[in-house]
Amino acid sequence: SQELEQSPQSLIVQEGKNLTINCTSSKTLYGLYWYKQKYGEGLIFLMMLQKGGEEKSHEKITAKLDEKKQQSSLHITASQPSHAGIYLCGALHNNAGNMLTFGGGTRLMVKP
Amino acid sequence: DTAVSQTPKYLVTQMGNDKSIKCEQNLGHDTMYWYKQDSKKFLKIMFSYNNKELIINETVPNRFSPKSPDKAHLNLHINSLELGDSAVYFCASSQDVARTKNTEAFFGQGTRLTVV
Repeated sequence: SQELEQSPQSLIVQEGKNLTINCTSSKTLYGLYWYKQKYGEGLIFLMMLQKGGEEKSHEKITAKLDEKKQQSSLHITASQPSHAGIYLCGALHNNAGNMLTFGGGTRLMVKP
Repeated sequence: DTAVSQTPKYLVTQMGNDKSIKCEQNLGHDTMYWYKQDSKKFLKIMFSYNNKELIINETVPNRFSPKSPDKAHLNLHINSLELGDSAVYFCASSQDVARTKNTEAFFGQGTRLTVV
């Protein structure tokens, strides 16, 4: 099994709806990153969480870290077609460097 | 200004060839990385390199080798390319965590390698 599991694997929502993507680690988290990848393009950094209970927002995207559950959730409010893409969580499983372990990604489509 | 740039963006080559992908970062970062994204979109670390040490993911075949002419560059050289090497390769960089609390990793745009 993967060290970092994302769910759901894919998601289709109507424009304007809220949605949540989850990322669960099987190992201790020293940091959790969220990236967005537009289809066929590079990775865009969204935010990084390090402390349990930490919550950060970037425009209409909010991410939280539950250190005890070794889990992070990414919530998009009032989704728009521009939110479409692949959302990837990356985990730091040690505090010695920045080698991230990535989840399998969540493919988000937003229907206008 | 592109922070992390990779070239080429697309690379189509025949099996058995040797190829290189170049990566440059203008962020003054200490550490650079190569990741491979397979057809299922799984991103896996291949190498981490700074001026002190090279850390290699043990699953990476030794046909793959990183080459760093200086701190701002980490090129990926691949010998005897195989069909299974087809993937998107991402370069990334970050500041050494021992020196700063900013641990954000910046990624390049990716290089789509197709081996035929």
